[in-house]
Amino acid sequence: EAQVTQNPRYLITVTGKKLTVTCSQNMNHEYMSWYRQDPGLGLRQIYYSMNVEVTDKGDVPEGYKVSRKEKRNFPLILESPSPNQTSLYFCASAFRGNGGWPQHFGDGTRLSIL
Amino acid sequence: SQQGEEDPQALSIQEGENATMNCSYKTSINNLQWYRQNSGRGLVHLILIRSNEREKHSGRLRVTLDTSKKSSSLLITASRAADTASYFCATDPSSGSARQLTFGSGTQLTVLP
Repeated sequence: EAQVTQNPRYLITVTGKKLTVTCSQNMNHEYMSWYRQDPGLGLRQIYYSMNVEVTDKGDVPEGYKVSRKEKRNFPLILESPSPNQTSLYFCASAFRGNGGWPQHFGDGTRLSIL
Repeated sequence: SQQGEEDPQALSIQEGENATMNCSYKTSINNLQWYRQNSGRGLVHLILIRSNEREKHSGRLRVTLDTSKKSSSLLITASRAADTASYFCATDPSSGSARQLTFGSGTQLTVLP
């Protein structure tokens, strides 16, 4: 089954404790991206990657890191999490098709930073 | 900043009725996409309409695009309780880069049985 898998689905942690949210896709998609979703603000892009070893900032990259060492994986790293990073996070992947890049999303990771 | 803005923010209808949601955006686009999000789940791509298209259908979905007004609408015909979800428009800018897919804040649709 074609899917984007995120882990963990839920995490409660404390300020300053480094954490990693993993994302893996099995569709051989070139493009992967991370978003955060906050009430009233919709989805905002954090980082994206057009291919292996190619990453770039989205609209809200501060406080986050990513890496793309393999095509299927795109982990999101919070080196020193803070309460304002409490949010619902989504990973997505895409390939160019139908005149655009329709995205496939994971089921989300709900992070609470205390 | 948000490129797409959906209207209304919330919509409640009876099963069998049609639901219409609107999206307005500010800058030129390569294409516009609609997504559905069920509670607690990730977004699901519904339909993509290119800037040179005016209308597109997919099953019970009908999407229109008016680039002169910078607006799009999503019509769901003969709605079902299972259509209850949030619906988002997302714009892909003229450069055609996947990188700048920008989402609106969504319309919450409730279909009452």
